Amino acid sequence: GQNIDQPTEMTATEGAIVQINCTYQTSGFNGLFWYQQHAGEAPTFLSYNVLDGLEEKGRFSSFLSRSKGYSYLLLKELQMKDSASYLCAVVDSNYQLIWGAGTKLIIKP
Amino acid sequence: NAGVTQTPKFRVLKTGQSMTLLCAQDMNHEYMYWYRQDPGMGLRLIHYSVGEGTTAKGEVPDGYNVSRLKKQNFLLGLESAAPSQTSVYFCASTNGQGASDEQFFGPGTRLTVL
Repeated sequence: GQNIDQPTEMTATEGAIVQINCTYQTSGFNGLFWYQQHAGEAPTFLSYNVLDGLEEKGRFSSFLSRSKGYSYLLLKELQMKDSASYLCAVVDSNYQLIWGAGTKLIIKP
Repeated sequence: NAGVTQTPKFRVLKTGQSMTLLCAQDMNHEYMYWYRQDPGMGLRLIHYSVGEGTTAKGEVPDGYNVSRLKKQNFLLGLESAAPSQTSVYFCASTNGQGASDEQFFGPGTRLTVL
């Protein structure tokens, strides 16, 4: 079967750094997405990784290790507006997206 | 550009009633998708379309039907609603099947079946 695992919830402090992990077991791999979803809203694209290594985009970075079936999203200089759920999704061999249940990130002042 | 829009935003149905959810996109995207999102679970694909006039089943298609008569519209139908179909439904679109093509989502429809 196909499986994406993420922590259910994380708490961090404004101004700090947080790392959200995602591990996956899928039939094939054609890349991994991270999306952000604020409560009651639609998911929005954050990043896409297909090669091993770190991709940096402003305060957000995403890392991928294909051999370990592992990715993380790193958020720096946390702001209150970063309170949201973060969804990890893998593109499988049929080019379908397999979604994790998401990690709810709570930012405290 | 409005992007991806969905109607209605909210709906309450009684068991056995039918309804149609409408998704429209103005980005000239070929691919369109219907997902449902339930607490504690990832987005699950119901049906999808790779172009006008085509549809295909996703992971959880039972109890739903779809149509893509026009490129910009993708309709999701519930013929006889059941409480298990209480969920938030998202429509999404993308330009192609390239693995790196991000999906653009509509604002969602919150459906309750009593």
